[in-house]
Amino acid sequence: EVQLVQSGAEVKKSGESLRISCQGSGFRFNKYWIGWARQSPGKGLEWMGIIHDSDIRYKSSFQGHVTISADSSTSTSYLQWTSVKPSDTAMYYCARKEWYGELQYAFDLWGQGTMVTVSS
Amino acid sequence: QSALTQPASVSGSPGQSITISCTGTSSDVAAYDYVSWYQHHPGKAPKLIIFDVSKRPSGVSDRVSGYKSADTAFLTISGLQADDEADYYCNSYTVSSTSPYVLGPGTKVTVL
Repeated sequence: EVQLVQSGAEVKKSGESLRISCQGSGFRFNKYWIGWARQSPGKGLEWMGIIHDSDIRYKSSFQGHVTISADSSTSTSYLQWTSVKPSDTAMYYCARKEWYGELQYAFDLWGQGTMVTVSS
Repeated sequence: QSALTQPASVSGSPGQSITISCTGTSSDVAAYDYVSWYQHHPGKAPKLIIFDVSKRPSGVSDRVSGYKSADTAFLTISGLQADDEADYYCNSYTVSSTSPYVLGPGTKVTVL
């Protein structure tokens, strides 16, 4: 089955480090970009960044606050923080788009989301 | 703040048609035919329903259609059904030195 499976919900205290994951299956991972989006409570979706191999593009407001990475050997992308804050409380989604092809400019498959809760 | 603007909410009765607008700028919607739309039921994964302004992915109902005029893209849902009640987001490719995509703020569709 073609899918993106995200890691489970996380509850953290302010200042702790965190890494969440997004594993692809049923497709050639290195033929796709993986994007990460945040949905803060009561808010809409917002792109954080996108990665393909070693090419990583961050939305400017997230640059320096999170790190996006990927391991093609395990078809997994990661989103990590060195020090989370209460404002990082949100649902995080990963999504894929073709590196090249008909769906080169749209995200055709999304993960189920990972809820991150950060307390002070 | 999104570079794209959408109405916060749109409503319609079952069987009716609704249209959601997505207004961008000369750097995104006006410049490229790479607007996509996503349906998002709370607690579920977002779903691609339109790509490249007007194309439907396989399996998406033909009640859904999209088009663009200048700097504004539109999503129309005809024959409104209860399951259409969801949040809808537009997304556009954008000329940017950093993040190449921008999402709209989302539109809540209510089926009356």
